[in-house]
Amino acid sequence: KQEVTQIPAALSVPEGENLVLNCSFTDSAIYNLQWFRQDPGKGLTSLLLIQSSQREQTSGRLNASLDKSSGRSTLYIAASQPGDSATYLCAAPNQAGTALIFGKGTTLSVSS
Amino acid sequence: DVKVTQSSRYLVKRTGEKVFLECVQDMDHENMFWYRQDPGLGLRLIYFSYDVKMKEKGDIPEGYSVSREKKERFSLILESASTNQTSMYLCASKTSGIGHNEQFFGPGTRLTVL
Repeated sequence: KQEVTQIPAALSVPEGENLVLNCSFTDSAIYNLQWFRQDPGKGLTSLLLIQSSQREQTSGRLNASLDKSSGRSTLYIAASQPGDSATYLCAAPNQAGTALIFGKGTTLSVSS
Repeated sequence: DVKVTQSSRYLVKRTGEKVFLECVQDMDHENMFWYRQDPGLGLRLIYFSYDVKMKEKGDIPEGYSVSREKKERFSLILESASTNQTSMYLCASKTSGIGHNEQFFGPGTRLTVL
């Protein structure tokens, strides 16, 4: 059964710092992995989808990597800003490939 | 842009009431999902549907049912609401195909059962 873990649960950094969020998954037979952002009380916004054939995916200041062999993905945020403060969730497909299994998220706070 | 809308942002119901949560997507996606999100438990899948009139149980289907009469609409039904169903409910959709697994979410409905 797929399990997704995110470490740390919370992170506080000063503005301008580069940071890495970690995600690990138990079933490495995945064909993609998705990162989301959630603001308090809101729905999820898709940030990046990495296919298993890719090792990295970039969008602006965000870069996500995927290492299936080690069961890990990282989300790198460059030059963090207060507007980046949110909860970041990663999700991997379940074994049937029919739905996503979510980690519990990393809550990021960027202070100005 | 893909758009997933949910009928209500906030809903307050009484114990025992029948509750309908509606979700509509405008991108002709085959697959639709209902999750609930609770502090400390994260997002958990309640039900999903891969086609009109088709449904599959997720991890926590007890106390819920669903309806998919049209491709764009997926309804979550609480037959007799209970206080332990107070939660944030999130709807999502995606197209079919192994290479196309990006899920798109609606804004969520925060349901309070008194």
